[in-house]
Amino acid sequence: GIQVEQSPPDLILQEGANSTLRCNFSDSVNNLQWFHQNPWGQLINLFYIPSGTKQNGRLSATTVATERYSLLYISSSQTTDSGVYFCAVEPTNQAGTALIFGKGTTLSVSS
Amino acid sequence: KAGVTQTPRYLIKTRGQQVTLSCSPISGHRSVSWYQQTPGQGLQFLFEYFSETQRNKGNFPGRFSGRQFSNSRSEMNVSTLELGDSALYLCASSLGLGLAGTLNTDTQYFGPGTRLTVL
Repeated sequence: GIQVEQSPPDLILQEGANSTLRCNFSDSVNNLQWFHQNPWGQLINLFYIPSGTKQNGRLSATTVATERYSLLYISSSQTTDSGVYFCAVEPTNQAGTALIFGKGTTLSVSS
Repeated sequence: KAGVTQTPRYLIKTRGQQVTLSCSPISGHRSVSWYQQTPGQGLQFLFEYFSETQRNKGNFPGRFSGRQFSNSRSEMNVSTLELGDSALYLCASSLGLGLAGTLNTDTQYFGPGTRLTVL
């Protein structure tokens, strides 16, 4: 089945720093989403981005479907950005599957 | 619009018991999916319901089952609980506009989860 790899697994930043999170996937997809899981377990949808570039405030994401990767950019990080960031994909050629999640990147932002 | 709601938020059960979790999707959403999150296995898909029919199923034993009602609310049931069933169970809803036989291709919105502890 499709493999979803996220890097880095852990990231420690000072407040105000910028960061880039990467998601590589091993097969074509027709859905890719980025989520932020807060310390209480809530998964918050950041982007639905199977291809192209989107921006929302300090966050932006780019998916290059032909090269099978997606990037999540966080600028001017804040302590509230801490948590786990997940990339999840829906494979194109696997009917009957659902969102396949990567293992996540754990981000810690200190003041 | 109100978000996805899940009840109960926390649950403690003992081995061998059974449990039912509930999920109310966003108004107008017809697809409800369930996921299990554990530290060891991460987030794994359980099943998806669309218009009261199970449309997709993950690789979990038959002890895990679910259903969807005409108002799109969904329940999942776990029978004969095992210690390894301790997990955060997350429900997601979406419009469910994907192709027949595949999971929807639109955005999924997650509820706050039910944290199940099996003793």
